[in-house]
Amino acid sequence: ETGVTQTPRHLVMGMTNKKSLKCEQHLGHNAMYWYKQSAKKPLELMFVYSLEERVENNSVPSRFSPECPNSSHLFLHLHTLQPEDSALYLCASSQDEGSGANVLTFGAGSRLTVL
Amino acid sequence: GQNIDQPTEMTATEGAIVQINCTYQTSGFNGLFWYQQHAGEAPTFLSYNVLDGLEEKGRFSSFLSRSKGYSYLLLKELQMKDSASYLCAVRDSNYQLIWGAGTKLIIKP
Repeated sequence: ETGVTQTPRHLVMGMTNKKSLKCEQHLGHNAMYWYKQSAKKPLELMFVYSLEERVENNSVPSRFSPECPNSSHLFLHLHTLQPEDSALYLCASSQDEGSGANVLTFGAGSRLTVL
Repeated sequence: GQNIDQPTEMTATEGAIVQINCTYQTSGFNGLFWYQQHAGEAPTFLSYNVLDGLEEKGRFSSFLSRSKGYSYLLLKELQMKDSASYLCAVRDSNYQLIWGAGTKLIIKP
């Protein structure tokens, strides 16, 4: 497999559930990202990892917990979510973090619905 | 605050030309990106502009004017498969990406 793969593609959970989103990249990139995409809104950056170290946490509520065990894998652990957290969660990777021409490669996203 | 403006939705006819505009107000500038996103799919990279002028890549071209805080994406010889959302993003002085809300392009036969 090549590119950025996200699982599951669709997830429905109750507010008391605990679930995880998984992202895997086979591009040899050093940086990985979680974005939230809501309808008709700009992409919201949630977390950035560079060489497995978290370099950015954009004031994301603690009910979202990222984990980056190695440079190829990124997880987003979810617990006690709210209905307003329903959105498309996109994972992306790039060669490096923070340079001008840095191009992001995105996964197809995990569509999350919180009941 | 930092802001990217682009039209919410545009409609065009197959075979025609369409121009999608993007205006930005950011703290500094380190490049502007266009991405294409088909419904239910990953955004994919289309173009990167850091200097003023026109960059042509097949049927797609992207233009930048830094003094005006303005870019456009030009799509020629439109095909039905060009129906998608087009996302404009600017990298600011801190190398953070500021995103627009996207323009949904509808192509009609």
